[in-house]
This record gives sequence, structure tokens and C-alpha cells, in this order.
Amino acid sequence: AQSVTQPDIHITVSEGASLELRCNYSYGATPYLFWYVQSPGQGLQLLLKYFSGDTLVQGIKGFEAEFKRSQSSFNLRKPSVHWSDAAEYFCAVGEPGGYNKLIFGAGTRLAVHP
Amino acid sequence: DAGITQSPRHKVTETGTPVTLRCHQTENHRYMYWYRQDPGHGLRLIHYSYGVKDTDKGEVSDGYSVSRSKTEDFLLTLESATSSQTSVYFCAISPRELKGTDTQYFGPGTRLTVL
Repeated sequence: AQSVTQPDIHITVSEGASLELRCNYSYGATPYLFWYVQSPGQGLQLLLKYFSGDTLVQGIKGFEAEFKRSQSSFNLRKPSVHWSDAAEYFCAVGEPGGYNKLIFGAGTRLAVHP
Repeated sequence: DAGITQSPRHKVTETGTPVTLRCHQTENHRYMYWYRQDPGHGLRLIHYSYGVKDTDKGEVSDGYSVSRSKTEDFLLTLESATSSQTSVYFCAISPRELKGTDTQYFGPGTRLTVL
């Protein structure tokens, strides 16, 4: 069965520090991969997506993610975190050629210390 | 932002009461989805629609029904609400007409409390 694992439930970093949020998936082929961010009380905003091609993808707000097929991973990174990045981050996989149903990880809540 | 609205935004109801949540889009997208968000589970798909009158079940469809009589509206109904259906409900839309457009855009959510 398809699944997405975000191993870290909570992460705390200092402002200006680098960030890496982990995402591992289980899927029979190469899925579509997404990272979304959710600020408190808000909906989900798309940060970036991977469909095919270059395995390093750039997103909004200075985020990037790298698809590693051999590790079934799609980790999200940012070189320098800002206080406004405090939010919950969700990794999701979608099914190419299907109805694009998404399977989400449980999320990682990021806190940023000044 | 994609033109998606959800109504109501907040609702408190009692066990056994029927509840209908509405998702309205102005993007004319073909695909629409309903998810619920619960702590520790992320978002889970309830039902989805791939066209007017074309709907199917998702991962957690028990206790829910949907209808789509117009492209722009996708209704989620809890026939008899239970406390386990207390959650935040999100609607999403997707164009999925061309390769590379399989992205879902989410509405602001509806917080439902069943007492």
C-alpha cells in the first residue's frame, strides 16, 4: 500500500539556521511528490512539486527539495530559516495517470527560535 | 490563490444531526476532493469527483456522501454526524487537463465540531 512517512513530528531550529525536513514514501513506481505548508488556522499552500526530470526542485519562499529514488525520499531544505517559516509542513504523494488522489504524511511542525 | 471557498467555515452540531459542507470553485476545474485533517494523521481523502455526477470513495468514506450537480460545487454530507467526525475538512481542486498540472489547490477549511 502507498504510504508517506514524515519521521519528525516536531522540529525546532534557530532563526538563520539551516533546515531539512524528511519525507519517505512507499509507492510502486515514481509518484508525483509535493510539499505543502500550513500556517495556523489556514489552508494548505503548495511549496513545490516534483513530476519528473531534474531531481532538485526549487519552490517558493526559498525552499528546495531533492528526489532520491534509491532512498524513496523527498526531503525539504532551506539554507536559512526565518521566523515566518514556523508552520506545519506536509509531504504528499500522488498517482501519475490516475485521479491524482493524494496521500499525505502526518506532518512536521516547525518552531523557530529567535 | 485559487478561487475556492468553503461554507460554513465553522460549525458546531449535535450527534445524529445531518450536516452538509459546501465547496465552491470559480476555476472551472474538473477534479474536486474532500479531505479531513486530524492530528497525527495529516490529511486523508474522503471522496473525490472527476466530473459532474462522477464521484468515488476515498480512504475514509464511511459515514460520508457527496454530490456534484455542477462543475463549481462539491457537497459533502454527513448523514448522521458522530463525534468521530469532529475534524477540519478541506476541499481541493485540480485542473489535471494537461501534463504537469496535477497539482491540488486547497480551500480555507471548515472546522466541524460534533457534540
